[in-house]
This record gives sequence, C-alpha cells and structure tokens, in this order.
Amino acid sequence: SSELTQDPAVSVALGQTVRITCQGDSLRSHYTNWYQQKPGQAPVVVIYGKNNRPSGIPDRFSGSSSGNTGSLTITGAQAEDEADYYCNSRDNSGNHVLFGGGTRLTVL
Amino acid sequence: QVQLQESGPGLVKPSETLSLTCTVSGGSISTYYWSWIRQPPGKGLEWIGYVYYSGSTNYNPSLKSRVTMSVDTSKNQLSLKLTSVTASDTAVYYCARTTVIDIFDIWGQGTMVTVSS
Repeated sequence: SSELTQDPAVSVALGQTVRITCQGDSLRSHYTNWYQQKPGQAPVVVIYGKNNRPSGIPDRFSGSSSGNTGSLTITGAQAEDEADYYCNSRDNSGNHVLFGGGTRLTVL
Repeated sequence: QVQLQESGPGLVKPSETLSLTCTVSGGSISTYYWSWIRQPPGKGLEWIGYVYYSGSTNYNPSLKSRVTMSVDTSKNQLSLKLTSVTASDTAVYYCARTTVIDIFDIWGQGTMVTVSS
C-alpha cells in the first residue's frame, strides 16, 4: 500500500543536528517534500524536490534521500525550529498525494 | 504577494454538504494547480485533491465519491464541496497553491469546519 511513515516525536539539543525521516515505497521513485507547522498556523514548505529551499528558509534546513527513505536535516537547531514536520510525496501510481503522519520536534 | 483565504460555514450538520471557497488575491489563478488539504483537530494532514485552472481535477481515492472541486477564473476563486459529511470530516480545511501536484508552496490560513447536529 502507499503510505508514508514518520517517527511521532524527535528531540534535539539546542545547536545540535537532527534528522527527521520519512519512509515509504513510493519514495524510491518520487522526491520527498517537507513542511513545518507551528501551533495554530498553516504549514510552510521548507524543502521541496531534490533539495530545494524556498526563499526565506534558513540554510540549516536540507533534504536528502536514500532508497525508500527521505530525510530532513536541521544543522544547528534553533529554538524557533520547534514544530511539527510533515513529509509528503506521491503514491506509487504517481497520480495522488500522500502525507506522512508528522514528527513533533522538540528543541531542548 | 499571492494570498489565499478560505471561507464558508463553520458548522455543518451530519449528512449535509460542506461547501468552502478559497479566494486568491495578489496573483492569477491561472497556470497553477490548487489543492484542498484538511487537518482534523490534533491530527495530521490529509490531501483531499486538486483542481487545475483549466478545471481538471484529481481527488484522494478515499474521498473521491464525495468530493467536487471547481475553479472560477473570473473571480479568482476555487471551491470545494464534500457531501454526506460525518463527524470524521471535522477538520481545519486549507487551500494551497500547488506546483507539480505535490508541492504546496502557498497556503491559506485555514478554516475550521465542525460537523455536528
């Protein structure tokens, strides 16, 4: 079946590096996009495509992919990075869109 | 800059039809896909589907039988209709500008819809 799996929660010490992962069969064929959502706000895309950052997204955010896993890496996590992070991509058919269940990032 | 604003009833009765509109300002609705995404309280995001500015659509298979999306280029608006709603349709509904069908680069602020009698 087509689905994307994320760890429910991850924590990182302030200033350290954290990787948030997203697993799914369809990721072998399609890029993983990443969204940051803070409480009460709409999601914001932070990484899309192979490893592209929209204007205004700090360069501490980066994306990568290997096999069936897409990853979002935050190098030097800041307090303002504490948020929910969602991955998304296409399903195996390439015609429909999937979201992962989300990862809550806590910055300690 | 492009802004999106969802609007519609905040309360819908079970078995009735949920109808929402998304108004696009600061740019044209043409040449893009436009998606609806929802988020139940305390839960994750769910893609509902997209409508292209030409009017072609693509829906989440799990909702396809109940969803209709359309676009009005003269008003720079898109709309969502979801029929036969139940409590499980209670969610914040977002519209989003969409590139390459799965990249949502601009989002509306979202509108909360509660299904209850």
